[in-house]
Amino acid sequence: EIVMTQSPGTLSVSPGERATLSCRASQSVSSNLAWYQQKPGQAPRLLIYGASTRATGIPARFSGSGSGTEFTLTISSLQSEDFAVYYCQQYNYWLTFGGGTKVEIK
Amino acid sequence: QLQLQESGPGLVKPSETLSLTCTVSGDSISSSSYYWGWIRQPPGKGLEWIGSIYYSGSTDYNPSLKSRVTISVDTSENQFSLKVSSVTAADTAVYYCARRQTYWYFDLWGRGTLVTVSS
Repeated sequence: EIVMTQSPGTLSVSPGERATLSCRASQSVSSNLAWYQQKPGQAPRLLIYGASTRATGIPARFSGSGSGTEFTLTISSLQSEDFAVYYCQQYNYWLTFGGGTKVEIK
Repeated sequence: QLQLQESGPGLVKPSETLSLTCTVSGDSISSSSYYWGWIRQPPGKGLEWIGSIYYSGSTDYNPSLKSRVTISVDTSENQFSLKVSSVTAADTAVYYCARRQTYWYFDLWGRGTLVTVSS
């Protein structure tokens, strides 16, 4: 099983600031990585797939980068609606999710 | 607009079988472009993929759950279903159904349904 490790567990950021979230795979997943956003009481929402392609309707302030084992999700200027939990998911070999990063208001 | 809706009992007794159905509206489940999947999330925890199915009936299961899970599809009703046998408290979770792309990420999700395993 490919283990996905996200860091930090919690990220405290002020509105308007930049947020950088990390996701590491226990072995290479090429670019077969997706990012999801989940707000309390809601289903996850797809943000990024193919490591860097934004899903339909996702604002340009969300960007993904990386390949192999190291990936980053960047939110360039945090809006109030961006405070949520973010999950990465690899789909290079079967399918596994990271443990999540909670982005909270500083 | 495509929508997915989970339905089924919210309470299941230990050792029994959990059964859920996902109804797809706004598009045909027989679309050749997509697969359909189940993901679960224990309260306060992360996401776990359970399995996926194609309209033809072809399935993929999480190896860690494969022995207890069955996913089936009913194209006439535009639905797909999940069964988890011999449940324990560890199977308590919000269960989501979702549309899976050919590459294995999920682009549309249902709202989820909480299933509690308790006597």
